[in-house]
Amino acid sequence: GESVGLHLPTLSVQEGDNSIINCAYSNSASDYFIWYKQESGKGPQFIIDIRSNMDKRQGQRVTVLLNKTVKHLSLQIAATQPGDSAVYFCADRMKTSYDKVIFGPGTSLSVIP
Amino acid sequence: SAVISQKPSRDICQRGTSLTIQCQVDSQVTMMFWYRQQPGQSLTLIATANQGSEATYESGFVIDKFPISRPNLTFSTLTVSNMSPEDSSIYLCSGRGGPEAFFGQGTRLTVV
Repeated sequence: GESVGLHLPTLSVQEGDNSIINCAYSNSASDYFIWYKQESGKGPQFIIDIRSNMDKRQGQRVTVLLNKTVKHLSLQIAATQPGDSAVYFCADRMKTSYDKVIFGPGTSLSVIP
Repeated sequence: SAVISQKPSRDICQRGTSLTIQCQVDSQVTMMFWYRQQPGQSLTLIATANQGSEATYESGFVIDKFPISRPNLTFSTLTVSNMSPEDSSIYLCSGRGGPEAFFGQGTRLTVV
């Protein structure tokens, strides 16, 4: 089936620095990409999304970049805070597959105070 | 955004028994899904819960093991049947009415 994968399984960042989490996807038919944050004991929480007709989208302290040429997605977190410590998943969706969302393997972000 | 509630939040079950997990959404959603998340791993899609008809299962998941109901737009159940220790996992319900998908807090199942 479709697969979305990550370059780095763990990431440690000093508080106040910027974080960059990378993701590679394999399905050219994916038209929508989402980043989720999952804190311990909770379900995934939507962070930001981007459609395949865009290459950049910004939210509050977060930016998602999409490079369709190399099938790469990244999440940038500015001024990382201890509350950002969590597992981050990229996910993709194809309109032709009942709009189901398929998750990548996840990156654990640890913020060092 | 939609708020998704799951019951139970956790359970410890004997092997060979079945557990039904309930998912309630506070607003109507067009799509509902069930995922499994094994410890330290990502989410794997089990099936799409279809209102009033049989669920659509992903490869590796079958209706006899994971029967799913969705009687209306805001409620769904997932049953884990004839459980074995390998079924120990977190089961998550997801709902989507627009582009975003929202998740419940999950049901942590331990089979002993």
